[in-house]
Formats: sequence, structure tokens, C-alpha cells
Amino acid sequence: QKEVEQNSGPLSVPEGAIASLNCTYSDRGSQSFFWYRQYSGKSPELIMSIYSNGDKEDGRFTAQLNKASQYVSLLIRDSQPSDSATYLCAVMVSGTYKYIFGTGTRLKVLA
Amino acid sequence: DAGVIQSPRHEVTEMGQEVTLRCKPISGHNSLFWYRQTMMRGLELLIYFNNNVPIDDSGMPEDRFSAKMPNASFSTLKIQPSEPRDSAVYFCASSKTSIANGYTFGSGTRLTVV
Repeated sequence: QKEVEQNSGPLSVPEGAIASLNCTYSDRGSQSFFWYRQYSGKSPELIMSIYSNGDKEDGRFTAQLNKASQYVSLLIRDSQPSDSATYLCAVMVSGTYKYIFGTGTRLKVLA
Repeated sequence: DAGVIQSPRHEVTEMGQEVTLRCKPISGHNSLFWYRQTMMRGLELLIYFNNNVPIDDSGMPEDRFSAKMPNASFSTLKIQPSEPRDSAVYFCASSKTSIANGYTFGSGTRLTVV
């Protein structure tokens, strides 16, 4: 059974701080990794994808991937109250097009 | 682009009734996915189609659930008979499988079975 693990939180950070969200996965063959943001009552929205080891930056967001440790993270710099949401890690199962999602980490940015 | 369109947005039904959820994927996307989301279990993949063909239905919980994709622009998820434990938000998502760049989700259908 392929698994994706996330800390459910809530993770509380003050406005302007860096929020760090973490995810581990069990499928060693996985090559594609995604971070989705989901506001309460809304659908998941793709914010980052990463395929290679290392860092990938997009605005205030940085995704980090370490395939040897089977670990993916998302950093949000200069956190804003509007970043308060649940962040879902998704891993594409090797040899398929399907994603396994973690249960998400709830982030609260305190004004 | 109108995005992935799901209907209805909300459905309340009595136990034992048939429920049909509908999805129109983004034009040009050749893969379609049905997920169910609950507080306890998170997002679970029920079934996915590639080029209108069901590829993996291992997540369909039992025979009460069925899904079809008669053409590239329409899919249905049917529950018959419905049970209270089927209450959840059901999401449809689509993607171009030639590019592994993430799914686009629809707005979801919130199903309540009483």
C-alpha cells in the first residue's frame, strides 16, 4: 500500500514568518510530487510541482525534494493570513497517472 | 477555459436512493479522476479513466459504486443504493497525461445521505 504521510497540524505561524510543511512517502519509484492548497469548503488547488532532487522556487513558495530520504517539503516565506489553509502533498504512483494524497497539514497564519 | 465542471454542487438524499454525480473535464484533457474526501480518510481515489477507458477502479468501495465515461467530455459516478456512510465530498479532476503537471479539480459535490 503506497502511503503519503503529513502532520495534520494545525501549524501556527505569525504573519511574515516562514511556514515549513513536510511530507514523507513510501513509493521509492515515485518521480512526480505536488503541493495543493485547499481552503475550507473549496477544492484543492495546485500550487507547486517538483520532479528533481533539490529546491524549486515560485514566488514566496519553495518546494524541496529528497528522493533518497523520500521526503518532500514546502516552504512559504513571508506568510500571510490569506495563506491559512490545508496543504496537501500528492505523490504520483510509479507506473501510473494516479496520485496518492496525504491527509493534509492545516496552516494558520496569525495576524 | 471553464475548468472542470461538476454537478450538482449539493445533494441530499435518503438512504437507499440512487445518486448520480456528473463531471465535465477540461477540453483536451484525456485523463479523468474521481476522488472522495472525508475528514477521517482525506482524499481517496475511487477510479480513473484514460482516453475514456477505466484504468484503475481499485478504490471503488463496493459494487454499489459504478462510474462511466461514455465520451471525452462527460463522466458519471453512480451510487445505488446510497448509504449514510457514503456522505462525503466527491471531486472530479482531469489532466493531460502527456504532461505530469498536476490535476485540475472541479468544485466538488457535497453528498449527504440521511
